[in-house]
Parts: sequence; structure tokens; C-alpha cells
Amino acid sequence: QLVLTQSPSASASLGASVKLTCTLSSGHSSYAIAWHQQQPEKGPRYLMKLNSDGSHSKGDGIPDRFSGSSSGAERYLTISSLQSEDEADYYCQTWGTGISWVFGGGTKLTVL
Amino acid sequence: QVQLVQSGAEVKKPGASVKVSCKASGYTFTSYYMHWVRQAPGQGLEWMGIINPSGGSTSYAQKFQGRVTMTRDTSTSTVYMELSSLRSEDTAVYYCARDSSVYSSGYPEYFQHWGQGTLVTVSS
Repeated sequence: QLVLTQSPSASASLGASVKLTCTLSSGHSSYAIAWHQQQPEKGPRYLMKLNSDGSHSKGDGIPDRFSGSSSGAERYLTISSLQSEDEADYYCQTWGTGISWVFGGGTKLTVL
Repeated sequence: QVQLVQSGAEVKKPGASVKVSCKASGYTFTSYYMHWVRQAPGQGLEWMGIINPSGGSTSYAQKFQGRVTMTRDTSTSTVYMELSSLRSEDTAVYYCARDSSVYSSGYPEYFQHWGQGTLVTVSS
């Protein structure tokens, strides 16, 4: 079964960097994912597609501070030079055969 | 630029149906799959289903089979999501989301553009 696992919460200081993790279930380590950001009281916003080899393609207007990387079944979103507006929920999402789209549970990022 | 504009908030009684619209602009409507995703209060995102706006074919998440219907009107570049037999647990914000893939060239992948969301409240 295709499942994405995320830590419920993370925190980091203003101006610092943070690395969020999304873990693919066993047998799905080659899958690409997408990262989405949801700021408080707003709809989601696509950030990037992240492949298993770490290559990624970002959405329009996404700052260079946002980057992605991969290792095995783990997919990472790194945000550098944290700003207050980066405080948001971050969701990973993937897709599989048999018509299924899956979200991780989301990580709530607090900027201290 | 791609825009997805959804219809306004709805309040429905248990057992009723709701139909949410999503009007697309800024791209060729019939070229890209469209998804529907919902988010209950304080909860995460949940995929509901997908429609191919070109031919109208659909596929729904098992959880919603029999209760959801997705349709499209190519003359107005609008997709619709109708959910029937509403219960309190269906209270959520419903989003349309355009896929990244041109349907003629590959399998649908990720949600590249999102609508602003439509709050549906189910309450007696």
C-alpha cells in the first residue's frame, strides 16, 4: 500500500534552515513526490516535484530558498533563510498506478 | 496565468446534495486532468477523484464511490463536483486542482494549480 509519512510538527528560528522529511512506504522508494505549502487560512500551493534521484522542478515564483533532495525512500524539503511567511503546513503527495493519489499527513512548521 | 475560480460557500442539511463548480482559465481546458481534494476542519488533505475534461471520464476514490459525481462543461471551461447523501463528516473545504500532465502525453501526476476552495457545511 502506497503511504507517505511525515512528522506532525517542526520548528526553526527566523533566518535559519529547516529540513522536512516525507517517507515513502516499503516497495515505493523509486516514486517521485510533490511538495505543497498551505499557509494559515489559505489554500494549498504547489512548491515542487521531487524525483528519486533528487532532481526537482519548482512551481512558478517559488523562491530559491526552497529546495528538494532524496535519499532512498526519503524525500526532503529544505527551506533556508526562514522567513515568517514560511510558517505553514507542508504536505507531500504522490501518485501510483491503479489510479491513486496520496497525501502525507502534513508537517506544521513553526518559525520561532 | 492559470486560474481556477470556485463557487461560493454552501450550507446543507444532512441527506442533501451539494454541487461545487470550478471555472478554469489561462490554459487549454480540455488538455489537463482535474482533481478534487477536500480538507475537513483541522485535518489534512484527502483526494476524492479525477476527471479528464476532454472525454469526461472519471475515477473516484473508493471512499466516495456511489456518492460523488464529477462532470465538466467544455463550453464554459468548468468542472463540477457533486456529493450526495451528505453527513456532518462531509463538512470540509473542497478544492479543485489541475494536474501537471497533459492527458494525451501521459499519466496524471501531481497537483500543479489549486482553486481557492469552497467551504461546505453540513448541519441540521
